Amino acid sequence: QQQVKQSPQSLIVQKGGISIINCAYENTAFDYFPWYQQFPGKGPALLIAIRPDVSEKKEGRFTISFNKSAKQFSLHIMDSQPGDSATYFCAASTSGTYKYIFGTGTRLKVLA
Amino acid sequence: GAVVSQHPSRVICKSGTSVKIECRSLDFQATTMFWYRQFPKQSLMLMATSNEGSKATYEQGVEKDKFLINHASLTLSTLTVTSAHPEDSSFYICSARGTQGARRDEQFFGPGTRLTVL
Repeated sequence: QQQVKQSPQSLIVQKGGISIINCAYENTAFDYFPWYQQFPGKGPALLIAIRPDVSEKKEGRFTISFNKSAKQFSLHIMDSQPGDSATYFCAASTSGTYKYIFGTGTRLKVLA
Repeated sequence: GAVVSQHPSRVICKSGTSVKIECRSLDFQATTMFWYRQFPKQSLMLMATSNEGSKATYEQGVEKDKFLINHASLTLSTLTVTSAHPEDSSFYICSARGTQGARRDEQFFGPGTRLTVL
């Protein structure tokens, strides 16, 4: 019940295309859902985060779509660029513990 | 703002030695710090949660006598890998959580420390 399932494991997208990564959870107590970007040998960096009271949040080229009833959320990267090639992790946490449960990660490669 | 540093960035040691990794929040006070371990091409696994001035809380399966965590101030937490062995070789990452308002859930991650035990 504490797991966060992430798919796909890897993704190849052409430059200018849309990259879509999906996550699903079971624990309805989760109330904070961030997405992180990680480059090889570096720590993760926050991209965007959402709480269950909204269904969509957009920041620049990054959009989170959140479906509370389906317990799913996804990251959309518009106009994908080669510089976006990295590993992306979704996570979920609950207020109180603030501990993150991370998804398994998606390795994105954007072709020039 | 919200910068977290780690030191060292890379360490190589012989089997049986102890290694200390520092995690500092540079421009904010971190009530809570987290320590993660990441194996190649895998996700981040939470090892422990540390709150300033109190004992760390370890995740199931993490040996607290092996991985000593000290959170002596609101800006510094340390992880000591005691009697390190090759299987402890991994990428160790810390994160820090602030306490202010809408960003209270957000964790700011350090750049990581690559530990190699020979």
